[in-house]
Amino acid sequence: EAGVVQSPRYKIIEKKQPVAFWCNPISGHNTLYWYRQNLGQGPELLIRYENEEAVDDSQLPKDRFSAERLKGVDSTLKIQPAELGDSAVYLCASSPGTWDIQYFGAGTRLSVL
Amino acid sequence: QKEVEQNSGPLSVPEGAIASLNCTYSDRGSQSFFWYRQYSGKSPELIMSIYSNGDKEDGRFTAQLNKASQYVSLLIRDSQPSDSATYLCAVTLNSGGYNKLIFGAGTRLAVHP
Repeated sequence: EAGVVQSPRYKIIEKKQPVAFWCNPISGHNTLYWYRQNLGQGPELLIRYENEEAVDDSQLPKDRFSAERLKGVDSTLKIQPAELGDSAVYLCASSPGTWDIQYFGAGTRLSVL
Repeated sequence: QKEVEQNSGPLSVPEGAIASLNCTYSDRGSQSFFWYRQYSGKSPELIMSIYSNGDKEDGRFTAQLNKASQYVSLLIRDSQPSDSATYLCAVTLNSGGYNKLIFGAGTRLAVHP
């Protein structure tokens, strides 16, 4: 069974540019999470989806970040415009249901120059 | 007070020894507790989950939970160099009005031959 798939693995952009990350969760997993992990820190939740509904986006900086999960399967996280402080690893995770064990993708390492 | 606290380490142990990793959390109502292992440059992978007080053993790993003391630990017996990684404690708790999985900053474990 395929795990959580994320792309791209790495992205280098200049500040003020837009960037998008894509995630395909494990088949049949209804809950999808986007996390941001800064160096030396644990992952921090940005947004949680139950099927296609964003049920917790309280930590998402809504002035520049947006996310969507059309059809309740794969998801896209966008940053526009990117700032230097957005440099981090963006992790996608999925679980069969809310608060079941979460499985993480390989992540996207973003560098904003 | 951080919601989930871990000693950042590094915790250095000789090969074959027992490594003891500790974690405290702030929410007395927390019900689910997880240990993830993260190798450098990789994504977190689940090692153990524990939901009730006491010990849970899986191979060389033992998770211990004490809800009264708000404390969860991970013991690794017969430590191997391949166990060298950062270990993330994660706890489901209520934060900002939402239940979410909160990660500690991780403890870096170094097992030397």
